[in-house]
Amino acid sequence: GEDVEQSLFLSVREGDSSVINCTYTDSSSTYLYWYKQEPGAGLQLLTYIFSNMDMKQDQRLTVLLNKKDKHLSLRIADTQTGDSAIYFCAEIPRGYKLIFGSGTRLLVRP
Amino acid sequence: SAVISQKPSRDICQRGTSLTIQCQVDSQVTMMFWYRQQPGQSLTLIATANQGSEATYESGFVIDKFPISRPNLTFSTLTVSNMSPEDSSIYLCSVALAGGKSSYNEQFFGPGTRLTVL
Repeated sequence: GEDVEQSLFLSVREGDSSVINCTYTDSSSTYLYWYKQEPGAGLQLLTYIFSNMDMKQDQRLTVLLNKKDKHLSLRIADTQTGDSAIYFCAEIPRGYKLIFGSGTRLLVRP
Repeated sequence: SAVISQKPSRDICQRGTSLTIQCQVDSQVTMMFWYRQQPGQSLTLIATANQGSEATYESGFVIDKFPISRPNLTFSTLTVSNMSPEDSSIYLCSVALAGGKSSYNEQFFGPGTRLTVL
């Protein structure tokens, strides 16, 4: 089945690291994605990881993939107030249809 | 990436009316999609907009309610017909671009159209 789950809320202090977790059920996904949605805005593709990779780093972002446990995480180093947003993980198990998680609202406290 | 614009950015409509949302891309793209994001919810795919043929709808969405046009490779419209308050949502178009080691693995989204139905 197609199901992507995320915790709903995360609060961190500015300068700390944030870790947003996601679990998915369909192991056939070739790519897994992280999107960011700021208030009143559309979705911004942050990064994605190919399913045969364990880790991908892009500046302050680190994506970790545990295929055995179907677990995906996004780590944001040195979190800034501008990182406050909703973060969605997503997969494409077949075709081009993105299956989104419920989104994790990240609040960065000064 | 692709630059995607949508019109209108927001609207408040009366029950029973229809609204057409436009999506314009700055380059020719093969794959265009329409998603819905209900208040406080995640995104759900409505349909794939096919150029030159009828859109492909996901389970739970029908052409009579959400007619879609795709006259060329840079433009699409989604109409929300006979609206009710339950249609209040953000409607987003997206495009898929080839990238990386496989085709069409990057999807980019427009800014969305925030619809409120009274």
